[in-house]
Amino acid sequence: GEDVEQSLFLSVREGDSSVINCTYTDSSSTYLYWYKQEPGAGLQLLTYIFSNMDMKQDQRLTVLLNKKDKHLSLRIADTQTGDSAIYFCAALPLNSGGYQKVTFGTGTKLQVIP
Amino acid sequence: DTAVSQTPKYLVTQMGNDKSIKCEQNLGHDTMYWYKQDSKKFLKIMFSYNNKELIINETVPNRFSPKSPDKAHLNLHINSLELGDSAVYFCASSQPAGVNSPLHFGNGTRLTVT
Repeated sequence: GEDVEQSLFLSVREGDSSVINCTYTDSSSTYLYWYKQEPGAGLQLLTYIFSNMDMKQDQRLTVLLNKKDKHLSLRIADTQTGDSAIYFCAALPLNSGGYQKVTFGTGTKLQVIP
Repeated sequence: DTAVSQTPKYLVTQMGNDKSIKCEQNLGHDTMYWYKQDSKKFLKIMFSYNNKELIINETVPNRFSPKSPDKAHLNLHINSLELGDSAVYFCASSQPAGVNSPLHFGNGTRLTVT
């Protein structure tokens, strides 16, 4: 099955850029997602990228996809204290039996230092 | 205008008891899920229903029984609760795969078994 890996922790200063990295194993993954989880809350979809794209920008968020290396990254520009949360990468393989069997990464805890 | 709502938010109970968690979505989605998030924030799919039919049933003890009375509701009943069942349980919904419909999550139910 699909494995999705992320580093566990990232600390940045307010105003700097944050880059959260993710690797996945199933090259058939069609959609790759980034979710944000704040304390005590559910997961909120931030952005996603389709596998035929290599970059997607949405305001302060930039997603880069390297299909050859099966590597996904999320860049947050001008990181704010409100960005402190856990960020999950998730992949939807093509061969998931026709259903949304999304695999989540381990999550990266982003700490923003004022 | 809550999209995916689950109740209760917190559930504290003793070993051996039986408990239920309820979930409802008003997004018109056909597919609903239960995910378990452990203390290390790792998310694992447990079950998925599409139009009231069970489509994903991961390796979960049969003490866990999902029930979907209609496509807007998916409940989770747990018998004979064990300490290891302590976790946060998330309900989610989406359209079926093939349509890029990301998962929409509820805010979670924190289950503590003592």
